[in-house]
Amino acid sequence: KAGVTQTPRYLIKTRGQQVTLSCSPISGHRSVSWYQQTPGQGLQFLFEYFSETQRNKGNFPGRFSGRQFSNSRSEMNVSTLELGDSALYLCASSLRTSGVDTQYFGPGTRLTVL
Amino acid sequence: DQQVKQNSPSLSVQEGRISILNCDYTNSMFDYFLWYKKYPAEGPTFLISISSIKDKNEDGRFTVFLNKSAKHLSLHIVPSQPGDSAVYFCAARRSQGNLIFGKGTKLSVKP
Repeated sequence: KAGVTQTPRYLIKTRGQQVTLSCSPISGHRSVSWYQQTPGQGLQFLFEYFSETQRNKGNFPGRFSGRQFSNSRSEMNVSTLELGDSALYLCASSLRTSGVDTQYFGPGTRLTVL
Repeated sequence: DQQVKQNSPSLSVQEGRISILNCDYTNSMFDYFLWYKKYPAEGPTFLISISSIKDKNEDGRFTVFLNKSAKHLSLHIVPSQPGDSAVYFCAARRSQGNLIFGKGTKLSVKP
């Protein structure tokens, strides 16, 4: 099976712009979660989508939003970019058929805000 | 408030010896724990997991131990190999909840 794919891999934006990141989960996986990784902060949970519905949300401002399509592909949008939004954004997919399942990560999108 | 803590930012081990990575958590509602390995410029790769109903899970060179009373888990790698050099993240979750990660421990295995 193909793994989780994320596009683009690298992105450079300037403050105030907006950005959309894309994630294609592993075939058959219905849950997609997004994480932000910054130096010294580890991976911080942004949100999770399951069957096109947001199921969990982390502690991020409303500038961060997402959605999931009927084919389970997901997009994440960040509006009014700030310098502090520079990070590696990771997408993970899982089956979510039980309380215990494993998330598989994509390679990430490296966002740099200038 | 950090619910999952990896107190050692880095660990250096000689090839062939045991690597022990530690993780502490504060939320007694966590019922599933995972370890991920991450190389630079790549996403985290799942290594091994353990349910709260168990105290040990083994997969090849990797063993995870869970001590619920101490709210502590550890990952043992035996024998350590240079290819194991990476950042290791501990993660925990409640049923249907999201994963909460520690900040990672950078393991260096020296030949």
